Amino acid sequence: GAGVSQSPRYKVAKRGQDVALRCDPISGHVSLFWYQQALGQGPEFLTYFQNEAQLDKSGLPSDRFFAERPEGSVSTLKIQRTQQEDSAVYLCASSPTSGGFTDTQYFGPGTRLTVL
Amino acid sequence: AQSVTQLGSHVSVSEGALVLLRCNYSSSVPPYLFWYVQYPNQGLQLLLKYTSAATLVKGINGFEAEFKKSETSFHLTKPSAHMSDAAEYFCAVSGATGTASKLTFGTGTRLQVTL
Repeated sequence: GAGVSQSPRYKVAKRGQDVALRCDPISGHVSLFWYQQALGQGPEFLTYFQNEAQLDKSGLPSDRFFAERPEGSVSTLKIQRTQQEDSAVYLCASSPTSGGFTDTQYFGPGTRLTVL
Repeated sequence: AQSVTQLGSHVSVSEGALVLLRCNYSSSVPPYLFWYVQYPNQGLQLLLKYTSAATLVKGINGFEAEFKKSETSFHLTKPSAHMSDAAEYFCAVSGATGTASKLTFGTGTRLQVTL
């Protein structure tokens, strides 16, 4: 079956522009995560949804970052007034269950954001 | 708070040689540990996970890892490296404060396999 898909795969933005990154999770998956992966680093947690509810946004680095999942399926990560330090790969992951310690997360290929 | 440390950002082995990628964890509660692999321009793929059912965990592609509480380690091994194993490998722990399944990753180890 289809895995997690993300679009666009690559995005170049000028500093100060707003961007929107889309994630299509595996159909029927309850949990959805966003991670940020800076160059040469491991992914870092940004936010977590259980269906349409955003239960954890502790990793969002500033109020310029906003995520939503209005119908409990597709999610969008929006970054306002992008800065150079926002340049990273943004990974989306989904999981079939509602957030247990041992859940397997299925990752998408990521969106590489470059802010000039 | 839970965390993992991966020793060695780059590891190079010859094809057919043993692969050993190191991961040590820090946790105040029993940890749940994962190894993920990332191929270029692809998402992370789960290799294996420790869920406390057995200390020796077997995963895909011939990889395995052993949970050693006394050493706070969860090293990844494969008896014989193949060229297709060249990739970035990440150790991760779940159960950080807040969301139970939120993963905290190490900085990764890039595995190079030479002829």
